[in-house]
Amino acid sequence: SQTIHQWPATLVQPVGSPLSLECTVEGTSNPNLYWYRQAAGRGLQLLFYSVGIGQISSEVPQNLSASRPQDRQFILSSKKLLLSDSGFYLCAWYSKAYNSPLHFGNGTRLTVT
Amino acid sequence: GNSVTQMEGPVTLSEEAFLTINCTYTATGYPSLFWYVQYPGEGLQLLLKATKADDKGSNKGFEATYRKETTSFHLEKGSVQVSDSAVYFCALVKTSYDKVIFGPGTSLSVIP
Repeated sequence: SQTIHQWPATLVQPVGSPLSLECTVEGTSNPNLYWYRQAAGRGLQLLFYSVGIGQISSEVPQNLSASRPQDRQFILSSKKLLLSDSGFYLCAWYSKAYNSPLHFGNGTRLTVT
Repeated sequence: GNSVTQMEGPVTLSEEAFLTINCTYTATGYPSLFWYVQYPGEGLQLLLKATKADDKGSNKGFEATYRKETTSFHLEKGSVQVSDSAVYFCALVKTSYDKVIFGPGTSLSVIP
């Protein structure tokens, strides 16, 4: 069966520090991968998505970047965090098979202080 | 472009009350439709889905019917429980190479 791992679960970082969040998927190949952010009490904001290795689409210009160095690995990064980067970050994958739903990781709670 | 609209709430119900959360969509063709649930502090879980017109998705007592004529996918449950308190997201996708489009989420609180 397919599983998605996202870590760390919680993170507290000072303003100006770098960020690296990692997400890996097991049990499937060539998935679509997504990074979402959810501010407190708000909906989901799509940050990046990838349909293949090295292929990244950015939805919102911002302080963050994403990379996909391997088929089932998706990394969210920042060189210098801002206070506004605080939020709940969710990784998700989606099979290219027809009618497949989106599967989410458990999320990372990031607090920038 | 494609979009999803849903009532944002918050919705507060007493235990055993009937629940309806409205969801309407804008998309050409025949998208697949989904309801996701997010419990406090957790990621999103797929609750149910429907892939063609008149399909009814169901799970854990929740139901939603894909209505092409009204472009709707309303979520219903006959008798809610305190454990149903969560945020519910309606979503659509057209093809496997498209983005999944989410509604803004509806917060539900069920009180004993």
